[in-house]
Amino acid sequence: NAGVTQTPKFQVLKTGQSMTLQCAQDMNHEYMSWYRQDPGMGLRLIHYSVGAGITDQGEVPNGYNVSRSTTEDFPLRLLSAAPSQTSVYFCASSYGGSGKNIQYFGAGTRLSVL
Amino acid sequence: QQQVKQSPQSLIVQKGGISIINCAYENTAFDYFPWYQQFPGKGPALLIAIRPDVSEKKEGRFTISFNKSAKQFSLHIMDSQPGDSATYFCAASTLNTDKLIFGTGTRLQVFP
Repeated sequence: NAGVTQTPKFQVLKTGQSMTLQCAQDMNHEYMSWYRQDPGMGLRLIHYSVGAGITDQGEVPNGYNVSRSTTEDFPLRLLSAAPSQTSVYFCASSYGGSGKNIQYFGAGTRLSVL
Repeated sequence: QQQVKQSPQSLIVQKGGISIINCAYENTAFDYFPWYQQFPGKGPALLIAIRPDVSEKKEGRFTISFNKSAKQFSLHIMDSQPGDSATYFCAASTLNTDKLIFGTGTRLQVFP
């Protein structure tokens, strides 16, 4: 049981480049989300999904796109990378619906935008 | 606007001491309050959680104290150990949603 898998672990981009951060879970969880972690800012919610085909914005959605075509996968797309998007990105998943479910986090993707 | 405020930002405790981390929230619709623990290079993992119908929850050396009227909750780590050195995040969510709002985190260092 792999849990939540994020790829890549590290990435360096130039300003203006685009890329996709991958997230996959094998626990049949309905709820998936993306957070960014910055020093002194905690974990801030970027986008989330309550099931396949359903996505919504979190606290800091600008500059990011998501889609949820399957239960297992929830990729995060950076359309035109900016230095302000330098951060550590975490994907999480949970069963969803009850409001008290354990969220399982991936190991993170460390992104630097030059 | 920070919906969940966490303090202190960093905490240094001697082995065997008590570590206390505090959080305050604004949204009275929050009704689930978990604490997550994160070690360097890893993703956060659930440590302990509480619902507002109880004032305290204890699991081993970790205790959450909850004050609904003050809209505050805190994590107490008794007999702190060097292995407890990590970043701790409080969080909150509303009924029937898994959408968590996190505090800014507290970096705890426990020295032998």
